[in-house]
Amino acid sequence: GNSVTQMEGPVTLSEEAFLTINCTYTATGYPSLFWYVQYPGEGLQLLLKATKADDKGSNKGFEATYRKETTSFHLEKGSVQVSDSAVYFCALRTGANSKLTFGKGITLSVRP
Amino acid sequence: EAGVVQSPRYKIIEKKQPVAFWCNPISGHNTLYWYLQNLGQGPELLIRYENEEAVDDSQLPKDRFSAERLKGVDSTLKIQPAELGDSAVYLCASSRWEGEDEQFFGPGTRLTVL
Repeated sequence: GNSVTQMEGPVTLSEEAFLTINCTYTATGYPSLFWYVQYPGEGLQLLLKATKADDKGSNKGFEATYRKETTSFHLEKGSVQVSDSAVYFCALRTGANSKLTFGKGITLSVRP
Repeated sequence: EAGVVQSPRYKIIEKKQPVAFWCNPISGHNTLYWYLQNLGQGPELLIRYENEEAVDDSQLPKDRFSAERLKGVDSTLKIQPAELGDSAVYLCASSRWEGEDEQFFGPGTRLTVL
């Protein structure tokens, strides 16, 4: 079956630090990969996505590259801000009719 | 554009009592999802609707859980009777159609069963 593994958290960084959040997956077929973010008190929202190998998704300064050879989709940002404090979920789906499979999520706290 | 609306935001009940959650998706969104999110875990799909039809309810515990989306717009998820292990956050999401990548999530209902 499909599964997503995220690195253990929480993660605490100082403002302007470099961020990497690891995500690896197991899937049948060729999945589309996603990062969702949940800000405090809000619903999950799509941060970025990649639908095929070597694609790079980007949004709000965040980037993630679909690496088929390592089955990974690590999230990176060069300089985090306090406003990036949130819970980040990696997810995949293997077709239009298939469900989203989420990782456990990781809490990021950015201090001034 | 209004987002996905859920109510109530918080609910505390005693075990064996019934409980219902309501969701109003984004206007024009045909696909509606209910997810269960346990503490420290990612969301897990309970049921997916295409308009008023439940097209994937394989993960819904049908002995105590039920859902409906009678007019293909808003939806209700019910638990009867609730058990201690049902304490979790219940999320509703919607998308324009089944194959669309982006799902829009509501803020969730946090259920505590005592």
